[in-house]
Amino acid sequence: LAKTTQPISMDSYEGQEVNITCSHNNIATNDYITWYQQFPSQGPRFIIQGYKTKVTNEVASLFIPADRKSSTLSLPRVSLSDTAVYYCLVKTGANNLFFGTGTRLTVIP
Amino acid sequence: NAGVTQTPKFQVLKTGQSMTLQCAQDMNHEYMSWYRQDPGMGLRLIHYSVGAGITDQGEVPNGYNVSRSTTEDFPLRLLLAAPSQTSVYFCASSQQGLVTGELFFGEGSRLTVL
Repeated sequence: LAKTTQPISMDSYEGQEVNITCSHNNIATNDYITWYQQFPSQGPRFIIQGYKTKVTNEVASLFIPADRKSSTLSLPRVSLSDTAVYYCLVKTGANNLFFGTGTRLTVIP
Repeated sequence: NAGVTQTPKFQVLKTGQSMTLQCAQDMNHEYMSWYRQDPGMGLRLIHYSVGAGITDQGEVPNGYNVSRSTTEDFPLRLLLAAPSQTSVYFCASSQQGLVTGELFFGEGSRLTVL
């Protein structure tokens, strides 16, 4: 069953740019790719959403290649407060909605 | 500014007991959904609703039941709890859809089945 895959963990120093990639080979044709951030003991929180090419908001950018089989979340100049788990979310069919397994980002002072 | 409220936050059950996890939202969202989150795994969709009176199954619906009698409430029922249902449960609501638009999550309900 096709799902989504992400790196398990990443470390980064404060002030660096961090890129987290999610692979989703069987993404539905007409649905968005969404990324969420989750802190311990909290529900996930929306970061950014896109359909193709590049989307940017005040906290992140999302890069989606033409085949849409992957997406990359880019966090510019991370700070300690960005330490969290990051999930991609895609839909692969009518009722098939999949979160990635999550990437635990640790920002080091 | 309540958003999505889940109760209880913690619950311990014995195998075979039943219980209901409550979820309420005050944003007048049409879409509501339930997820379980297990260690080392992402959230998995249990059931969802696209409006009052309409529900459907997600990826892992077995052992769970839902109903949507009002726009605001979407309870999740465990009829015969099993240790495999030990997990953290999240409820979410959205206006535009499960993937389109932003999901607003509750704080979660941690369930332990002994």
